[in-house]
Amino acid sequence: EIVLTQSPGTLSLSPGERATLSCRASQSVSSSYLAWYQQKPGQAPRLLIYGASSRATGIPDRFSGSGSGTDFTLTISRLEPEDFAVYYCQQYGSSRFGQGTKLEIK
Amino acid sequence: EVQLVESGGGLVQPGGSLRLSCAASGFTFSSYWMHWVRQAPGKGLVWVSRINSDGSSTSYADSVKGRFTISRDNAKNTLYLQMNSLRAEDTAVYYCARDQDYGGNWGGMDVWGQGTTVTVSS
Repeated sequence: EIVLTQSPGTLSLSPGERATLSCRASQSVSSSYLAWYQQKPGQAPRLLIYGASSRATGIPDRFSGSGSGTDFTLTISRLEPEDFAVYYCQQYGSSRFGQGTKLEIK
Repeated sequence: EVQLVESGGGLVQPGGSLRLSCAASGFTFSSYWMHWVRQAPGKGLVWVSRINSDGSSTSYADSVKGRFTISRDNAKNTLYLQMNSLRAEDTAVYYCARDQDYGGNWGGMDVWGQGTTVTVSS
């Protein structure tokens, strides 16, 4: 069973900076089957990226996804105050999530 | 408006049972696979179960296999999760989520409910 490992566990950045979040799979994953979600405290998760690089409906273009095989990346080009949250990657086959990366204000 | 609304959570004793419901509106429920995902207090997201569009195929996380049953009533636009033999470690917010498919390409879980809280404690 594929395990997803996200890094770093916590990322401290300032608004306006660039954020790079990593999701590494224990086995090769089809790019079509990798998604990213954002979750803010007290809220349900929100789909950001599917198919490794396709933005979901209504997601700003400062969010981008890339990667293939076992290494995937979520990039936020210029952080807005509302982007500070926890981010999860997910793989389709097992539906498993990574453990999450908390993006906090520095 | 596309919406999922969970209900049925509450406080239950270890070994007890609970049935969660997820009412769907604003879309053709019978066309979509559906999932349950849970989140223990202060922890990450954990996938629990999924069901295909007509209810003929289901799958479960190992941690709930044999204790939980997912089902759906497409006539009522409702998803269910029957939870039996509940344990303290089942304490979590339970979310239902819609599985998006773009012509055979997985589109992620694109619609989520607000969650319902299950607490297993004596």
